Amino acid sequence: DSGVTQTPKHLITATGQRVTLRCSPRSGDLSVYWYQQSLDQGLQFLIQYYNGEERAKGNILERFSAQQFPDLHSELNLSSLELGDSALYFCASSSRQGLSYEQYFGPGTRLTVT
Amino acid sequence: GQQLNQSPQSMFIQEGEDVSMNCTSSSIFNTWLWYKQEPGEGPVLLIALYKAGELTSNGRLTAQFGITRKDSFLNISASIPSDVGIYFCAGLSGSARQLTFGSGTQLTVLP
Repeated sequence: DSGVTQTPKHLITATGQRVTLRCSPRSGDLSVYWYQQSLDQGLQFLIQYYNGEERAKGNILERFSAQQFPDLHSELNLSSLELGDSALYFCASSSRQGLSYEQYFGPGTRLTVT
Repeated sequence: GQQLNQSPQSMFIQEGEDVSMNCTSSSIFNTWLWYKQEPGEGPVLLIALYKAGELTSNGRLTAQFGITRKDSFLNISASIPSDVGIYFCAGLSGSARQLTFGSGTQLTVLP
């Protein structure tokens, strides 16, 4: 158990809909990262938040957005969903102090868009 | 952007055999991480490497940070069935702020 929690575990929704994925980092970790993993793309970095502020952006679509709240949990919002958005979405966290590049992953949310 | 070439893409080995896989890049990396992912689960951090030439072990797993800083290797000794999964390398270069992941090595251990 990495200490990172994600909900829900599975999500099935229709095209055009909007969903919210939730992540709670390990206790004490200030950084949260979101990744998308699909069969043909591997692990793709989406976005990073550090202590409530956006720190880095990767290949995140404009239809996707995220935020990190004062209690450090994070939410990833996916809107106007398309079939191609079906994937595993992972959250990872790391500590600011010391070895901050050691990212610890949650169990993921499997999103299926029908 | 940064790219990592991970090989082999898949491996089928007999239980008890040793396994080697590697990641290479055309760029210099300052940090190498190795993860294992089992079906339906998130990647689990196995080993982290921070210095060129560093050799680090975690049980039957040994990883090395290449001297050129452009590659890393992961070895698994005396494989067992629970070693099955996808192994990912990840690296961080000086100019990038985020980890770059390899495409993974799918390991199958045959009894």
